[in-house]
Amino acid sequence: GNSVTQMEGPVTLSEEAFLTINCTYTATGYPSLFWYVQYPGEGLQLLLKATKADDKGSNKGFEATYRKETTSFHLEKGSVQVSDSAVYFCALRGNTDKLIFGTGTRLQVFP
Amino acid sequence: DAGVIQSPRHEVTEMGQEVTLRCKPISGHNSLFWYRQTMMRGLELLIYFNNNVPIDDSGMPEDRFSAKMPNASFSTLKIQPSEPRDSAVYFCASSSGGVVSGYTFGSGTRLTVV
Repeated sequence: GNSVTQMEGPVTLSEEAFLTINCTYTATGYPSLFWYVQYPGEGLQLLLKATKADDKGSNKGFEATYRKETTSFHLEKGSVQVSDSAVYFCALRGNTDKLIFGTGTRLQVFP
Repeated sequence: DAGVIQSPRHEVTEMGQEVTLRCKPISGHNSLFWYRQTMMRGLELLIYFNNNVPIDDSGMPEDRFSAKMPNASFSTLKIQPSEPRDSAVYFCASSSGGVVSGYTFGSGTRLTVV
């Protein structure tokens, strides 16, 4: 079945450092891929998405490219801020209504 | 658009009491999902509805949990009787359907059963 695997956290960075959070997936067909962010005490918010191979989703300085050949959708940001501290979830949606989430990666950014 | 609205934001109840969580999805969204989030288990899908019909309730932990969606603008998740291990944050999410659509989540209900 469909599944998502993302790197375990926490990821700890200094402000302005480069961020990568790895995400790989297993799916049949042509899923859409998503990154969600959860700030403390809040619900999950859609950060970005990509709906077909080689698409790049971007938002708030974050980017991820849908790589079908490596079945990956890694999240990157060139310069993180303290305000980016949150839990990030990779997810995929195939040909059903269900969104399959990874386990989440906690990012901690220190000044 | 007010987004997905959940109530209450916080609920503290005694073991054995009935708890009802409420959700109003985004107008026009035809799918609704109930999730539970805990430190130990992470994010778990409990049940989801499509066009007000329950499609998959395989994540409902036991018979003490029940969910209804009487119309397109309202859903409830009920726990009766509640137990301390039910303490968690419960999220509702809605979607317009289709592979390219993501979910919009509510702010959650933090349930504490003492």
